[in-house]
Amino acid sequence: ETGVTQSPTHLIKTRGQQVTLRCSSQSGHNTVSWYQQALGQGPQFIFQYYREEENGRGNFPPRFSGLQFPNYSSELNVNALELDDSALYLCASSLDFKVRYFGPGTRLLVL
Amino acid sequence: GQNIDQPTEMTATEGAIVQINCTYQTSGFNGLFWYQQHAGEAPTFLSYNVLDGLEEKGRFSSFLSRSKGYSYLLLKELQMKDSASYLCAVNQAGTALIFGKGTTLSVSS
Repeated sequence: ETGVTQSPTHLIKTRGQQVTLRCSSQSGHNTVSWYQQALGQGPQFIFQYYREEENGRGNFPPRFSGLQFPNYSSELNVNALELDDSALYLCASSLDFKVRYFGPGTRLLVL
Repeated sequence: GQNIDQPTEMTATEGAIVQINCTYQTSGFNGLFWYQQHAGEAPTFLSYNVLDGLEEKGRFSSFLSRSKGYSYLLLKELQMKDSASYLCAVNQAGTALIFGKGTTLSVSS
């Protein structure tokens, strides 16, 4: 167990809808990053937050957005859902960009 | 560009030794991670190399050569529970982890 939690565990949405995924980081960690993992692929970096500021972003469109709160928990928001957004969404927390510890993930299905 | 290559699949038998290779071409290199991921679960941390050389941790060892853009993960005394996907990931300038597609290891008795 890493101490990183995510909610919900599973989610089903339809195209065009919006979704919010949540992550609680491990105690003492100040950095949260989000990854999208399609079936049979490695995780793809979405973005990273350090002390409530976004400090890195991967090749994802602006409809993927996020927040980090003062307690270092985080949200990932995805607007205008597309079928290709169906994936496992992983949150990882770390202290100062070192070892990333992953949460159990949220499995999103877009119909 | 960024590119991380690792074999797609490997098979081995219980008690054997297996080496999973990873080659990378990235900018802003700041260390290399290995993660283990069982089907349907989150990746779990195995090792982190930032300097050249071998890091040993129980049955698992990881090696890094920065000049060659090369790393490997060595698993000894294989057990059935080691059947999983093994992910090589480059720490890019302290922000992104850039992952390979993973190597699916199947251990048979």
